[in-house]
Amino acid sequence: GAVVSQHPSRVICKSGTSVKIECRSLDFQATTMFWYRQFPKQSLMLMATSNEGSKATYEQGVEKDKFLINHASLTLSTLTVTSAHPEDSSFYICSASDRGRMNTEAFFGQGTRLTVV
Amino acid sequence: GESVGLHLPTLSVQEGDNSIINCAYSNSASDYFIWYKQESGKGPQFIIDIRSNMDKRQGQRVTVLLNKTVKHLSLQIAATQPGDSAVYFCAEGPIQGAQKLVFGQGTRLTINP
Repeated sequence: GAVVSQHPSRVICKSGTSVKIECRSLDFQATTMFWYRQFPKQSLMLMATSNEGSKATYEQGVEKDKFLINHASLTLSTLTVTSAHPEDSSFYICSASDRGRMNTEAFFGQGTRLTVV
Repeated sequence: GESVGLHLPTLSVQEGDNSIINCAYSNSASDYFIWYKQESGKGPQFIIDIRSNMDKRQGQRVTVLLNKTVKHLSLQIAATQPGDSAVYFCAEGPIQGAQKLVFGQGTRLTINP
């Protein structure tokens, strides 16, 4: 199957700083990527839809100025958590679909564990 | 709002036995359903999917059943192995285009030796 890679896999940052998470589709092009957040022992919650070359679409309750998304190419989307606080500590996961193949499943990255101290 | 949920949060089965994980969904307009397996600290791994025009689909050791009448989805794993221990999520999404998914709450499957 297609490969989606996230970097870093783990990051610890100080409260008030910003952290950037990368999501790359390694062997396919993705017009759209999705960012999810998962708290411990909970399900994945969609945060936003990242659209190549245009603004991201955010789910209700997700602050767009806090979670900045950039999708500058067909293989890379970035999520920047700005002015991070301890409550932002979570597991962040991206997914992408191969735009060249219709009706295929979304492929997920391995996730990024963010800890804000 | 619309949601996808699971009946049981945990399930323990003996190695070699079959396991069944259930999921209820509320959006009758859903066209596409997927089961994912998530191991600790990792992203979801695709197991099997099914379109709304089907009621059963089989994979290797796994079978997904869809009952649209009662909006119920199940995942059957045959001859469970220790490596099957994980959290299993059902999810629903659009049949075409980008896969924006709504996830259920997850069931933790534990395989006992």
